[in-house]
Amino acid sequence: EIVLTQSPGTLSVSPGEGATLSCRASQSVSSSYLAWYQQKPGQAPRLLIYGASTRATGIPDRFSGSGSGTDFTLTISRLEPEDFAVYYCQQYGDSRRTFGPGTKVDIK
Amino acid sequence: QVRLVQSGAEVKKSGASVKVSCTASGYPFATYSITWVRQAPGQGLEWMGWISVYNGITNYAQSLQGRVTMTTDTSTSTAYMELRSLRSDDTAVYYCARRTDFADYWGQGTLVTVSS
Repeated sequence: EIVLTQSPGTLSVSPGEGATLSCRASQSVSSSYLAWYQQKPGQAPRLLIYGASTRATGIPDRFSGSGSGTDFTLTISRLEPEDFAVYYCQQYGDSRRTFGPGTKVDIK
Repeated sequence: QVRLVQSGAEVKKSGASVKVSCTASGYPFATYSITWVRQAPGQGLEWMGWISVYNGITNYAQSLQGRVTMTTDTSTSTAYMELRSLRSDDTAVYYCARRTDFADYWGQGTLVTVSS
């Protein structure tokens, strides 16, 4: 099973600033099969990024993903009030999918 | 538009079983598989497994093998997840989602509470 580690656990950011979230895999994720999700309290997760860097339908371009192998990054260029949430990475290169523990982005 | 609508909240006793449904609309049901994910209170997301609607093939998380069964009914565009021998640590919100790789559409979630 591929174990995903996310850092930091919590990121405090002021609106309008940028944020960089990290996701590290215990072994290489084949073909960059990595996705990012956003989850707000009481809501289902929402797909942001798949294939490490492809934005899902309707996702603003302030969200971008990068990385390959074992190291992946989600960057939010300028945080809007609605971006404060928990972000999860998920790998689908292995038949047994796994999620990272999440990074909470809160208001500084 | 694509929608996944799940059944309502459940309260079960330890040792019982629960069956959660997920009814899809807005796309050809057999075209995409269904994944199940759960989230314990205040915790992260846990992948439970998926089922191919097309041929019924399943892939379950090792931790749930033997206790979980995923099925579909193409006549009603509904997927089901049954979890048996419930324990207190099965208390969680259970989500269905479309696709087996990344999940592009999600149900609203079903809270399953297991009490002793």
